[in-house]
Amino acid sequence: ETGVTQSPTHLIKTRGQQVTLRCSSQSGHNTVSWYQQALGQGPQFIFQYYREEENGRGNFPPRFSGLQFPNYSSELNVNALELDDSALYLCASSEKGRDYEQYFGPGTRLTVT
Amino acid sequence: EDQVTQSPEALRLQEGESSSLNCSYTVSGLRGLFWYRQDPGKGPEFLFTLYSAGEEKEKERLKATLTKKESFLHITAPKPEDSATYLCAVKAAGNKLTFGGGTRVLVKP
Repeated sequence: ETGVTQSPTHLIKTRGQQVTLRCSSQSGHNTVSWYQQALGQGPQFIFQYYREEENGRGNFPPRFSGLQFPNYSSELNVNALELDDSALYLCASSEKGRDYEQYFGPGTRLTVT
Repeated sequence: EDQVTQSPEALRLQEGESSSLNCSYTVSGLRGLFWYRQDPGKGPEFLFTLYSAGEEKEKERLKATLTKKESFLHITAPKPEDSATYLCAVKAAGNKLTFGGGTRVLVKP
């Protein structure tokens, strides 16, 4: 059984650019959630995808968007990057119906300069 | 709005010195309280889920308990490898986990 994987590990972007982060779910999981974790803080919910549709969203602006693919992998896209977007971006997968237990990937560290 | 507060923010322990971490929460209709462990630069690692007041879960030196307003994570006779940030999260209505700020635990040999 493979765990949740994310790519890339690290990324440096310039303010105003766009970025795409990728996530592969744990085997057997059909629900993917994305979180943003600033340094020294707990993760904050961005949104969740189930059956390729957004299934809940936190307090993040529309420039944060996502996709889920038929194989349950997922992408997080952020447009018009701002300095405050610098953070660890975490993907978590779960089984719908058991979506209380979310299993996290290692994260992508995004630095915006 | 769901709120989760963890205390203390940081905890320094000697190896073998037992202690407890606190997670206080305010939610409408708790559907689960979760504990995670996070090592520096890594994603959170799932530890426990608690669903109702009075419930307890144990794993090695860790024991989690739940009341109607808070949860405790007890660390018994900790070892240096227990050093990490421990995160508490709650799930109410909807599909998100709301996390606290975490407790950074350092266990010195």
